[in-house]
Amino acid sequence: DVKVTQSSRYLVKRTGEKVFLECVQDMDHENMFWYRQDPGLGLRLIYFSYDVKMKEKGDIPEGYSVSREKKERFSLILESASTNQTSMYLCASSPSTGANEQFFGPGTRLTVL
Amino acid sequence: AQSVTQLDSQVPVFEEAPVELRCNYSSSVSVYLFWYVQYPNQGLQLLLKYLSGSTLVKGINGFEAEFNKSQTSFHLRKPSVHISDTAEYFCAVTQGLGFQKLVFGTGTRLLVSP
Repeated sequence: DVKVTQSSRYLVKRTGEKVFLECVQDMDHENMFWYRQDPGLGLRLIYFSYDVKMKEKGDIPEGYSVSREKKERFSLILESASTNQTSMYLCASSPSTGANEQFFGPGTRLTVL
Repeated sequence: AQSVTQLDSQVPVFEEAPVELRCNYSSSVSVYLFWYVQYPNQGLQLLLKYLSGSTLVKGINGFEAEFNKSQTSFHLRKPSVHISDTAEYFCAVTQGLGFQKLVFGTGTRLLVSP
């Protein structure tokens, strides 16, 4: 079974803190994604990585950065958390060939106070 | 850029009734289409996908969807729903070179009551 795990299910941080969200996949997938999910807005792509150390901005990259030092791990970084970054964050992975499905982790619900 | 429209934000239905969740996408060029389901407090799980071939696609849990190129639609159907089908459903379409990225609709919450 493909498994995508995220480091925390729930996280509470204070405004201005640096926040790290970690995602690990065990299927040797080339592609990894970070989305945020907000009611009424669906899933919006923050960043996409298609290889180690390679990244591409998604639709809403402002206020976020990413790191992919190893193939299986993709980190999302909030340099200085703000209250408008309170959201559900979903990580996904997919193989690079064909239009294969994306496999999702369980999500991290982040609250910034 | 691609866009996906799910017009119904919420669909209430009684148990054992049929249901249709609507999805329309913007582009008429070749696309791949997906339906995902999200149960409460969980990530997304693939229900079904259309890549090519037969326009009627069958998925898990008795769901099916029909790809209609002329209408640019990919509606999801189930002939008889269960309480356990209560969840949020997302339609998605590929975007970009190599079809690596997905664009998601805003989701439809299916509420099944006894």
